[in-house]
Amino acid sequence: GAVVSQHPSRVICKSGTSVKIECRSLDFQATTMFWYRQFPKQSLMLMATSNEGSKATYEQGVEKDKFLINHASLTLSTLTVTSAHPEDSSFYICSAEDLFKSHEQYFGPGTRLTVT
Amino acid sequence: GEDVEQSLFLSVREGDSSVINCTYTDSSSTYLYWYKQEPGAGLQLLTYIFSNMDMKQDQRLTVLLNKKDKHLSLRIADTQTGDSAIYFCARARQAGTALIFGKGTTLSVSS
Repeated sequence: GAVVSQHPSRVICKSGTSVKIECRSLDFQATTMFWYRQFPKQSLMLMATSNEGSKATYEQGVEKDKFLINHASLTLSTLTVTSAHPEDSSFYICSAEDLFKSHEQYFGPGTRLTVT
Repeated sequence: GEDVEQSLFLSVREGDSSVINCTYTDSSSTYLYWYKQEPGAGLQLLTYIFSNMDMKQDQRLTVLLNKKDKHLSLRIADTQTGDSAIYFCARARQAGTALIFGKGTTLSVSS
């Protein structure tokens, strides 16, 4: 099946620093990738939709200047959490939509971000 | 109410069948999905069903869709301890759009 990787899988950073999370589709092309955030024992909440070569579309309440998304190629999207604060600590998961099977979305393994 | 609703917990014995239920509110949903999440891991796509289908079977998994009642279920036959995980129901309005998830059902399988 299709594989999506995320890097890093776990990161601890100090408050005020920035963290970049990568999402890659390993064996398929993805024009669209999605970034979700998951709080403990809760569902996934969509943060933004990332389209290759264009600006991301953010959900209401998500600060675009804080969560910078870049989708420079058909296999890579990055999420940068800028000036991180403890309340940004969460599990961030990306998904990628197969270019040729757009109804199939595959999820990465997630990145656990802890801001101290 | 919530857009996608699921019961939070289900406990079964090994070898029994598990049935996880999901209801949704938006009748325009074209694709409905079941994902599995193990502790500390991402989501694994188990199966999906297109809204013009009533049933889909894939090995031990059977998905039933009642579009009139906006009800989706996932049946796992011969449940194993390795099936213990959180199962998420999700819907998409159309292909290429983000998924809207339920809160997940924690399946606990005892031996």
